[in-house]
Amino acid sequence: RKEVEQDPGPFNVPEGATVAFNCTYSNSASQSFFWYRQDCRKEPKLLMSVYSSGNEDGRFTAQLNRASQYISLLIRDSKLSDSATYLCVVRVNFGNEKLTFGTGTRLTIIP
Amino acid sequence: DGGITQSPKYLFRKEGQNVTLSCEQNLNHDAMYWYRQDPGQGLRLIYYSQIVNDFQKGDIAEGYSVSREKKESFPLTVTSAQKNPTAFYLCASSSLPGQEENTIYFGEGSWLTVV
Repeated sequence: RKEVEQDPGPFNVPEGATVAFNCTYSNSASQSFFWYRQDCRKEPKLLMSVYSSGNEDGRFTAQLNRASQYISLLIRDSKLSDSATYLCVVRVNFGNEKLTFGTGTRLTIIP
Repeated sequence: DGGITQSPKYLFRKEGQNVTLSCEQNLNHDAMYWYRQDPGQGLRLIYYSQIVNDFQKGDIAEGYSVSREKKESFPLTVTSAQKNPTAFYLCASSSLPGQEENTIYFGEGSWLTVV
């Protein structure tokens, strides 16, 4: 089983729709969770950290389910500019840094 | 502007040559990282460093070398021993666990092609 698993997609979604994807992780000792966005041929950029209580930033909502070991990202009222690959990132803090990236979920918003 | 600067952005290498990718950050971050990304794949960790003059191998360190002589600099050398070096290379930095805002930030990346 991969340490971090994401559905690669691609997901093609009409503009204005709500879209959600999950990411599962295998290490129960994982401490920190993030969603990054990566545009084609560009570097990943932090979209949002994921907190235990869940958090929202505008149209984006991230949630963490420790019992089932997954995190989720919800995008409401999707825009054309949301088209990108979304990377799930998990960190295990044991003194030495260990970040594990999912392979990403590709999202295309269709006009 | 604060950030991470990688150079060159595009690099072509002949087989058998070593090349060095530069990474400089002015964020005062203690930790720095090198990742490799291949098409359709996730990022894989090559090396990381949490303090000057110390670094650790990541998951795919073979054929690569690094140095950390200064806090702000973490160059990566792709040696001729790396059998499949064509990839997108990403340098990143972060503060250490326990510090505030220890999220990871990336440079713009370097595209290396072996010709």
